[in-house]
Amino acid sequence: DTGVSQDPRHKITKRGQNVTFRCDPISEHNRLYWYRQTLGQGPEFLTYFQNEAQLEKSRLLSDRFSAERPKGSFSTLEIQRTEQGDSAMYLCASSFVSTGELFFGEGSRLTVL
Amino acid sequence: EDQVTQSPEALRLQEGESSSLNCSYTVSGLRGLFWYRQDPGKGPEFLFTLYSAGEEKEKERLKATLTKKESFLHITAPKPEDSATYLCAVSNAGNMLTFGGGTRLMVKP
Repeated sequence: DTGVSQDPRHKITKRGQNVTFRCDPISEHNRLYWYRQTLGQGPEFLTYFQNEAQLEKSRLLSDRFSAERPKGSFSTLEIQRTEQGDSAMYLCASSFVSTGELFFGEGSRLTVL
Repeated sequence: EDQVTQSPEALRLQEGESSSLNCSYTVSGLRGLFWYRQDPGKGPEFLFTLYSAGEEKEKERLKATLTKKESFLHITAPKPEDSATYLCAVSNAGNMLTFGGGTRLMVKP
């Protein structure tokens, strides 16, 4: 399967711990996006990369959130000092620059106790 | 700021009962309007892109239409397997998608 893959699918952590999610995009795509989705809501944009450049990060929810995409391949989203309000599904998507058709992964569900 | 509003929030249909989902939007410089399907616990799955008013796209029992202010997703003779959340999104010049809250569709046999 050559779709977008995310790891881990589920993460349970205690408040105050750091967590990191990984996303492997479709290899031909040069854009990679991170979204957050809470129960009953649509996905909320966080940040995106074009190749290895992070072109928009003002929507990251706080300075506890950071994302990287070394060498323009996979990406990681890190949340430091997690809070219960961070509990959500974190979705990764990829696309070609020329289209807005995003292809999403299955998501990483975070539960902060 | 780009905004997308979907209605109704939830819709229950009997199998075979056709209906429509609404997506109202405001965006500076619409590049495209997108419909996605999302099953519980899964990521959204791409359905359609519409680029200009008057455009229509069809896929099986689904038909999407676009005007200058809203889009409709028409579901003809739905089946239980059509049960899902349907998400609408708009993209601006930066090709970033802004999503609506979704319509949760349940089709009963």
